[in-house]
Amino acid sequence: AQTVTQSQPEMSVQEAETVTLSCTYDTSESNYYLFWYKQPPSRQMILVIRQEAYKQQNATENRFSVNFQKAAKSFSLKISDSQLGDTAMYFCAFMKHDAGNMLTFGGGTRLMVKP
Amino acid sequence: NAGVTQTPKFRVLKTGQSMTLLCAQDMNHEYMYWYRQDPGMGLRLIHYSVGEGTTAKGEVPDGYNVSRLKKQNFLLGLESAAPSQTSVYFCASKIHPRGARRDEQYFGPGTRLTVT
Repeated sequence: AQTVTQSQPEMSVQEAETVTLSCTYDTSESNYYLFWYKQPPSRQMILVIRQEAYKQQNATENRFSVNFQKAAKSFSLKISDSQLGDTAMYFCAFMKHDAGNMLTFGGGTRLMVKP
Repeated sequence: NAGVTQTPKFRVLKTGQSMTLLCAQDMNHEYMYWYRQDPGMGLRLIHYSVGEGTTAKGEVPDGYNVSRLKKQNFLLGLESAAPSQTSVYFCASKIHPRGARRDEQYFGPGTRLTVT
């Protein structure tokens, strides 16, 4: 079974600064996907960024980028130029290539962006 | 497109009561999922379905049943609710693994269930 660990329960950052959220995972699979989801107070789960394990290049989506270290089983999220709207819970998630394509989530990091 | 919708949005049950949560998607997705989210935790998979008429157990299936009689609907049932089932329930759907954007799950807005 896969496990996903987020070691930072809470973090804060000043508006316009950069913050990095950590995620590690444990799997014996070689082919899988990794994701970061954002959950604002509205409760809606919003996909922020995805990474396919076979791709060496780190994914980037506007102000969001990841540092994917496959050998270390690490998948951190960097948010640049933080905005007040980035305040939310952030979840790291793992999906392996199998019949169900199920997601395994970490426990989450609560990010507060301060003005 | 409404995407993924969940009914109801909120519900309070008494211990031992039963209820059904409805998830509907209008994206013609093959795969559907039910997750629960407890306070301060990530989502955990309850049951899932890879197509109409099929269901399978996830990580925390005890106390729940599901049915997928129509491709667009995925029902989650609680036969005898317990306080431990107080949670926020999320439904999600996904296209077939051979489709475009095959890795992305689309989530509904959640149902907050309280069992007293």
